[in-house]
Amino acid sequence: KNQVEQSPQSLIILEGKNCTLQCNYTVSPFSNLRWYKQDTGRGPVSLTIMTFSENTKSNGRYTATLDADTKQSSLHITASQLSDSASYICVVRSGGSYIPTFGRGTSLIVHP
Amino acid sequence: IAGITQAPTSQILAAGRRMTLRCTQDMRHNAMYWYRQDLGLGLRLIHYSNTAGTTGKGEVPDGYSVSRANTDDFPLTLASAVPSQTSVYFCASSESTGQGLTEAFFGQGTRLTVV
Repeated sequence: KNQVEQSPQSLIILEGKNCTLQCNYTVSPFSNLRWYKQDTGRGPVSLTIMTFSENTKSNGRYTATLDADTKQSSLHITASQLSDSASYICVVRSGGSYIPTFGRGTSLIVHP
Repeated sequence: IAGITQAPTSQILAAGRRMTLRCTQDMRHNAMYWYRQDLGLGLRLIHYSNTAGTTGKGEVPDGYSVSRANTDDFPLTLASAVPSQTSVYFCASSESTGQGLTEAFFGQGTRLTVV
């Protein structure tokens, strides 16, 4: 069964600090992995997509990594801001499947 | 306004009543989806549609039905609501469900409470 596990479940950090969120998956065959950001009361918005051949991709202060061999991805947030407070969801799609597999998300709170 | 619009934003519904959640997109996307999001469980797919005229069951389809009469609209119907259907419902769309490289765009959600 395809599964996506995210850790930690929740995280509290101080403004300006860095943090790293983890995503482990068992989806096979692998097609791509997306990180979404979901603000409270809003729908998820895509931050970045990783395909099999990509190891690192940055989007401003967000940097995603992918290790297809160990089936792990991470999302690193640099110099956190209050607006980074949100849920971050890892979504993995397998080749040939119409249905992506969602992780349960990591809830990040950035305190001033 | 480009994007996905859901209605209503929130609703309190008596158990046993019928309810249709509306979803409209103006991006001419082929694929549309309905998810429910519950605390601690994340987003779970209810139904999807690859293109107008076709629908498919997702992970948790029981108690829900959908239709896709045209490209833009994808309503979700609860025939007889039960308290376990209390949740936040998100509609999403993408250009296709094929290779999966296309991004899914989500609506703002409908918060449904069944009492």
